[in-house]
Amino acid sequence: AQTVTQSQPEMSVQEAETVTLSCTYDTSESDYYLFWYKQPPSRQMILVIRQEAYKQQNATENRFSVNFQKAAKSFSLKISDSQLGDAAMYFCAYRSGGGATNKLIFGTGTLLAVQP
Amino acid sequence: NAGVTQTPKFQVLKTGQSMTLQCAQDMNHEYMSWYRQDPGMGLRLIHYSVGAGITDQGEVPNGYNVSRSTTEDFPLRLLSAAPSQTSVYFCASALMGASTDTQYFGPGTRLTVL
Repeated sequence: AQTVTQSQPEMSVQEAETVTLSCTYDTSESDYYLFWYKQPPSRQMILVIRQEAYKQQNATENRFSVNFQKAAKSFSLKISDSQLGDAAMYFCAYRSGGGATNKLIFGTGTLLAVQP
Repeated sequence: NAGVTQTPKFQVLKTGQSMTLQCAQDMNHEYMSWYRQDPGMGLRLIHYSVGAGITDQGEVPNGYNVSRSTTEDFPLRLLSAAPSQTSVYFCASALMGASTDTQYFGPGTRLTVL
């Protein structure tokens, strides 16, 4: 069975600085997708970024980028130029490829605080 | 286009009561699912459906029932609520297929069972 581990329950960053959130996963599959979701205090789950396992290039979305290390089964999220609005719970998630279902397996989350 | 909607937003039940959490989407998504979120445990899959008339169990299905009579609706039923079911519940939907796998989440329902 696949598992997702986020070893940092809480992180803090100064406004305008860069922070990296860690995520590791365990799988025997070769075809899968990885995601980072943001959950602000409103509780809404917002997709931040996704990575296809077959792509070697790291995904980037504006100030958000990932460091995808397939062999090490690591998928960290880097937030550059942190803003107060980035304060939220961040979840790493895994989804098998193959298209049979869209089941997501989530990590336990990292609560990010942004200090002004 | 309302996306994924959930009702109610908040609910308090007494042990043994039953209720249905409603979920609807207007994006014609084949895939719908229910997750529960508990502190320190992330989101865990309860039940999911890959189309009308098709449902299956997720990681934590006990105490919950689902049905999928239409593409749009995917209600979650608690037949006899227990304090262990106190949680925040999220419904999500997505198109099937590897190239369009973004899941859209509803706003959540906070359920308290006394």
